[in-house]
Amino acid sequence: NAGVTQTPKFRILKIGQSMTLQCAQDMNHNYMYWYRQDPGMGLKLIYYSVGAGITDKGEVPNGYNVSRSTTEDFPLRLELAAPSQTSVYFCASSYSTGSPSPLHFGNGTRLTVT
Amino acid sequence: TQLLEQSPQFLSIQEGENLTVYCNSSSVFSSLQWYRQEPGEGPVLLVTVVTGGEVKKLKRLTFQFGDARKDSSLHITAAQPGDTGLYLCADTGNQFYFGTGTSLTVIP
Repeated sequence: NAGVTQTPKFRILKIGQSMTLQCAQDMNHNYMYWYRQDPGMGLKLIYYSVGAGITDKGEVPNGYNVSRSTTEDFPLRLELAAPSQTSVYFCASSYSTGSPSPLHFGNGTRLTVT
Repeated sequence: TQLLEQSPQFLSIQEGENLTVYCNSSSVFSSLQWYRQEPGEGPVLLVTVVTGGEVKKLKRLTFQFGDARKDSSLHITAAQPGDTGLYLCADTGNQFYFGTGTSLTVIP
């Protein structure tokens, strides 16, 4: 069981470039999330999805877009990269919300925008 | 947007000492989860608390949920170097917000 898989692990972008961070889960989870984490800090929610075809904004959605065409995949798109988007990005999934469903995280994508 | 404040932000202690970290919310938690994150990895769930006043123990870790379900604490007894990491609280509503985190270093 792979769990939550994120690719790539590392990426360097120039200002204004675009990229897609990939996230896939094989646990048949309905809920999926994208977070960003700055050094030594907590996680900020970017976007989330409660099922295929449904997405919604989190705390910090500006500069990002998502889609959820299948239950398994939840890609995050950066259209015009800015230095402020330098961060570590985590994708997570859960079966449902609330107790006792935990979030399962991928190992993150470390993005640098220069 | 719900605000989850954790304190202290940083904590450095000697092996064998006790410590408590706190999580406070601007609104009532749906339920609350505590996670630990080690460098280079995603967070891993430690515990879920649901009922106001609830206390749960996980070996040397004791988790308490406030009566009003707006705050929680994590107490570690006789800290060990393996406890080093970033401790995060989270509200388990649809949007699954995380707190600001407490970075703990246990010095051998």
